Amino acid sequence: GIQVEQSPPDLILQEGANSTLRCNFSDSVNNLQWFHQNPWGQLINLFYIPSGTKQNGRLSATTVATERYSLLYISSSQTTDSGVYFCAARPSNPGGSNYKLTFGKGTLLTVNP
Amino acid sequence: KAGVTQTPRYLIKTRGQQVTLSCSPISGHRSVSWYQQTPGQGLQFLFEYFSETQRNKGNFPGRFSGRQFSNSRSEMNVSTLELGDSALYLCASSLAPGGAGEKLFFGSGTQLSVL
Repeated sequence: GIQVEQSPPDLILQEGANSTLRCNFSDSVNNLQWFHQNPWGQLINLFYIPSGTKQNGRLSATTVATERYSLLYISSSQTTDSGVYFCAARPSNPGGSNYKLTFGKGTLLTVNP
Repeated sequence: KAGVTQTPRYLIKTRGQQVTLSCSPISGHRSVSWYQQTPGQGLQFLFEYFSETQRNKGNFPGRFSGRQFSNSRSEMNVSTLELGDSALYLCASSLAPGGAGEKLFFGSGTQLSVL
C-alpha cells in the first residue's frame, strides 16, 4: 500500500516563529488531507488538498502531486498550535484493500510562550 | 450544525467481552469511516461505509465488524476483546465519496480500555 512519511517527527518553537511540515507519499494520490490533533485528542481537518495551494489564516498548504509531497506552513505560531499534525493520503488507483486513507505518523509540534 | 458524535466517550471492559461503539455523522453526511489510534501503531483504518454499504476494510481480524444504518449512523463491534484492543477509536464522517466531498470530520473518539 501507499507509504506516507512526515518530517520532522518533533518540532519545538517559540511563539511567533514560522514552521514548515512536510509529508511525502509513495504513490500518486487523489486525496490528501492535513489534520491537527490537539492535546485533548480532537482531530481537526485543516485542509483537503490533493493538489495546489490553499490558505486559511496563518496556515497554508501546498501539494505538488507530480513530486509526491505536501507542505504545511504555520506562520506566527501560537501556543494553541501545539499538538500533532497528521497528513493522510489515498492512492489514485482504486486497487482493492489499498484504496484507503493512510495516515502518516505525525509531527509533534510544541509552541512555547 | 452538530459535529460528529461518538458514544460512549470512555469504556472499560475485560478480556473476552464484546463492545459496541456508536457514531452519528454530521447531518447530511453519508460516509462514515472508523480508525483505531494507538501510541505504537498510530492511526489505522478500520472500515468505510457509504449508504449502508461497506466500501473498504482495513487489515484487522474478523473480531472487528461494523455497519451503517439508513440514517447514516454507524456502529462498530469488537468481539472477544484482547488487551491489545485498548485504543482510541475514532469515527469520521464526510459528505460522499469523490473529490472534496471526502473531506473528513472526526468525532472526539471512544477511549477503550481492556483489562
